[in-house]
Amino acid sequence: DSGVTQTPKHLITATGQRVTLRCSPRSGDLSVYWYQQSLDQGLQFLIQYYNGEERAKGNILERFSAQQFPDLHSELNLSSLELGDSALYFCASSVDRGSLYNEQFFGPGTRLTVL
Amino acid sequence: GENVEQHPSTLSVQEGDSAVIKCTYSDSASNYFPWYKQELGKGPQLIIDIRSNVGEKKDQRIAVTLNKTAKHFSLHITETQPEDSAVYFCAVPRGGSTLGRLYFGRGTQLTVWP
Repeated sequence: DSGVTQTPKHLITATGQRVTLRCSPRSGDLSVYWYQQSLDQGLQFLIQYYNGEERAKGNILERFSAQQFPDLHSELNLSSLELGDSALYFCASSVDRGSLYNEQFFGPGTRLTVL
Repeated sequence: GENVEQHPSTLSVQEGDSAVIKCTYSDSASNYFPWYKQELGKGPQLIIDIRSNVGEKKDQRIAVTLNKTAKHFSLHITETQPEDSAVYFCAVPRGGSTLGRLYFGRGTQLTVWP
């Protein structure tokens, strides 16, 4: 158990809908990362938040957005869903307190199926 | 971005044999190299990592070696067991930084036959 929690575990929805994925980082970790895992693209970085602020953006679609709250939990919002958005979505966290190396620990993921 | 290539994509070994997975990267400034294990239905689990100031690191049956000149690093698993069966990913941070995003290899499906 990495200490990172994600809800829900599974999500089935229809095209055009909007969903919210939730992540709670390990206690004390300030950074939260979101990754998408699909068969054709592999594990791809989407976005990183550090202590409530956006720090880095990857290949995240404009239909997707995220935020990190004062209690450091994060939410990933996916809107106008398309069939191709079906994938596993992982959250990871790291301590990121000025340490030279910051290991990232992954949650169990949310499996999103868009029908 | 960082280009991370991982080989082989699949690997089958007999229980007790060794397994080796290799990754190459493109950014010579990279200085942190983690390996993750992903079991079916679970998230990637960090199993070992190496910093650029050492050439090898061991943790019981697993080891990682790093060749910065050739820009490749490898995962070695000795005395493999059926529970080692999983997908293994190598990763490299963006632009040589130890912070921020990880670029992942495409993964190696390791199967250990009893």
